[in-house]
This record gives sequence, structure tokens and C-alpha cells, in this order.
Amino acid sequence: AQKVTQAQTEISVVEKEDVTLDCVYETRDTTYYLFWYKQPPSGELVFLIRRNSFDEQNEISGRYSWNFQKSTSSFNFTITASQVVDSAVYFCALLRGYGGSQGNLIFGKGTKLSVKP
Amino acid sequence: DVKVTQSSRYLVKRTGEKVFLECVQDMDHENMFWYRQDPGLGLRLIYFSYDVKMKEKGDIPEGYSVSREKKERFSLILESASTNQTSMYLCASSLTGGWRGYTFGSGTRLTVV
Repeated sequence: AQKVTQAQTEISVVEKEDVTLDCVYETRDTTYYLFWYKQPPSGELVFLIRRNSFDEQNEISGRYSWNFQKSTSSFNFTITASQVVDSAVYFCALLRGYGGSQGNLIFGKGTKLSVKP
Repeated sequence: DVKVTQSSRYLVKRTGEKVFLECVQDMDHENMFWYRQDPGLGLRLIYFSYDVKMKEKGDIPEGYSVSREKKERFSLILESASTNQTSMYLCASSLTGGWRGYTFGSGTRLTVV
């Protein structure tokens, strides 16, 4: 079965704290893609990052960084020096059916991050 | 930029009504998707389409149908709305294969009373 687990339902931090959002996935595919999306209070999901199974390099984009480890089937997301604007629901997702025209995303249940001033 | 537009932000319908949720994308994407989002359950795939007039069931298709007569438009149909279909509905589109990721609409919050 293909599955994405985000064990943290809600996290609350104070501004400037670092925070890590966990994502664990299950797949039988040898080639696959993982994603993170942000859903601010306005509701529209915003793409943050894509990572394929052949690229285990960590990625950093400003205050955001991602740690992809195939050995533990994890794709964790860290926000450094969090800000109030980071408050949102964050979703991790796995592309199933890669290689065909019908690839579609399966999402975790999301982690709601609240950053307090 | 790709834009995915959902026709209504909020809808209130009565039990038993036939409900149409419309979604239009403007970037010539082959694939289109309908998800519903519920607290504690995340996003669940209802139906998707990888070509005009083609449709595939997702994980929770019961009680729904879809229509894709034109490439840019994907409609979700609730044949007889029920209260358990009260939810946020999200439309998305992608290039074929989906590995480049999706672009999402802003969502339609449907309340069935």
C-alpha cells in the first residue's frame, strides 16, 4: 500500500524558534516523487518542493530546508527562525503511478503549524 | 502562471439536490483532479481525469460523478447531495504524469443542509 503519514497533527511555536515537520511514506515503487505543500488560511495549496527518489541531497531555500532519507522513508521539513507568516497547514504528498499518464498525489493528513509572536 | 479557478467559494445546498462544482484551468494541462478536504483526514482523491472524456475513480468516488467535455474544464457532480458531503472541495491540474506537481484552485466550501 502507498501511504503518507504526518504524525504531528498540530504544532505551536514562538516566533524565531526552529520547527521540524515530519513526513514518513510507504511505497513499493522504485521511482517516485515526494512533495510538500503549504495551505495558508486563505485555503489555496501552494507548492513548496518536489524531490525524486534518486536525489537524496538535502535542499535549502532561505529559511526552509528538507531532509530526504530513503533509509528511513522520511522527507522532513524544517523551518528555521519561524515567523508568524509561516502559520499554515503543511501537507506532505507522494506521487503514485509515476511513469504513466495517470500519476496522482496521495496526501498525508497535514500538520497545522501555529507561530505565535 | 497556471491558474485554476473554481466557480464558487461557498455553496449551500439542500439534501437531495443535484450539485455541480466547476473547475477551469488555463494552462493546457492534461490532468485534472478533485479532492475533498476534511479536518483530521487531509486531502482525499475523489476522481481524476487524464484526458478529455476520460475519468478515473480515486479513493472515495461514492456519491460523486465527474464530467470533462473540454480539456480546460472538469466538473464534479453530486447526484443527490447528502449532509456527509459537506466539505471543502479542491480542484487541481497538472501536466501529464503529475510529477511536476499540481496547481490548486482556492477551493469550494460546500454545506449541505
